[in-house]
Amino acid sequence: DAGVIQSPRHEVTEMGQEVTLRCKPISGHNSLFWYRQTMMRGLELLIYFNNNVPIDDSGMPEDRFSAKMPNASFSTLKIQPSEPRDSAVYFCASSLEGQGDTEAFFGQGTRLTVV
Amino acid sequence: GNSVTQMEGPVTLSEEAFLTINCTYTATGYPSLFWYVQYPGEGLQLLLKATKADDKGSNKGFEATYRKETTSFHLEKGSVQVSDSAVYFCALPYSGGGADGLTFGKGTHLIIQP
Repeated sequence: DAGVIQSPRHEVTEMGQEVTLRCKPISGHNSLFWYRQTMMRGLELLIYFNNNVPIDDSGMPEDRFSAKMPNASFSTLKIQPSEPRDSAVYFCASSLEGQGDTEAFFGQGTRLTVV
Repeated sequence: GNSVTQMEGPVTLSEEAFLTINCTYTATGYPSLFWYVQYPGEGLQLLLKATKADDKGSNKGFEATYRKETTSFHLEKGSVQVSDSAVYFCALPYSGGGADGLTFGKGTHLIIQP
């Protein structure tokens, strides 16, 4: 298996532009998570899906952020409009729903820079 | 929800030194505990885990023991190598169910010098 695949690896955009980050989870996994990593705040869970349904989006910082999972093999995280403070590394992770001892597999991340 | 606190780095050691990275947690019940490692430019990957009290997780020479009496899960390695240089994260489920993602510590940057 190729693992969790994220694209693009790097994104540089101007403030106010729309940004879309993409994720393909591991085939057969039914939970998908979006995390944001910054030096100041560490790793933050933004939203997670179970069987393609958003379960908890309380970590999404603002209405400018939205996420979708139209099917079991694809998810997007969109920021519109983007702001410089959104600059971070965004990780997607997937897992098989378990009883709390399930490993989460991470993608390599998308490094977003908003100028 | 559950939370985790780990020592902040960077931690700089010489090759073959003994390593300890402290991690303590606050949780409802006795959730599984994890250590993840992040190498430069990569995502996180599972290093080891323990699913119940007194369990010892181990991998690649690293060990951590689930101590419920001290609510700790300290990471140890007897002799570190330059290739161990990375950021290490302690983690546990956000809540008892476990299917709602993990909460991570801030990460400890480990630097091993030859």
